[in-house]
Amino acid sequence: KAGVTQTPRYLIKTRGQQVTLSCSPISGHRSVSWYQQTPGQGLQFLFEYFSETQRNKGNFPGRFSGRQFSNSRSEMNVSTLELGDSALYLCASSLVGGRSYEQYFGPGTRLTVT
Amino acid sequence: AQSVSQHNHHVILSEAASLELGCNYSYGGTVNLFWYVQYPGQHLQLLLKYFSGDPLVKGIKGFEAEFIKSKFSFNLRKPSVQWSDTAEYFCAVTGGATNKLIFGTGTLLAVQP
Repeated sequence: KAGVTQTPRYLIKTRGQQVTLSCSPISGHRSVSWYQQTPGQGLQFLFEYFSETQRNKGNFPGRFSGRQFSNSRSEMNVSTLELGDSALYLCASSLVGGRSYEQYFGPGTRLTVT
Repeated sequence: AQSVSQHNHHVILSEAASLELGCNYSYGGTVNLFWYVQYPGQHLQLLLKYFSGDPLVKGIKGFEAEFIKSKFSFNLRKPSVQWSDTAEYFCAVTGGATNKLIFGTGTLLAVQP
């Protein structure tokens, strides 16, 4: 079974631009969560989608948004990029939403904002 | 506030030494506990998990962890480490009906051959 895939793997953007990252979950998984990983703040939860609905949201500004499609694929968007948005963005999928299922992580998208 | 603390930020061991990485959490209510590992250049992988039942859980590659509810702890152990265990280890917790993982700051383990 293929794992979680994320595209693109690397991205360089300029301050003020916007970016869209994509995540394809493991086949059959319906929940997709996004995390930001930085050396200073570690791994932080951005949001979770299940059945095309946002179930949970972390403490990030409104510039960070996401969506999920009917095939469970998910995208996250960051508008008006800031230097501090440079990070590894990780997507994780699980069978269903809820606490009793482990999450499987993709390789991440490395975003560099210059 | 919900939080996870990993007290060891950087651990250096020789091969065959025993390993114990500390993890304490602060969370009101029922929790699920996880250890993830990130090998150099690779993505986060689930090492082991605790949902309920036997508080001593065994994971992949000879790792185990013990959930001690009274101490709010979930320490990771391995009797004999190998050079290939060099990686960063993250403790994480979820609670309630949510998939929101709260991670600790990670422990960087370096195993010297």
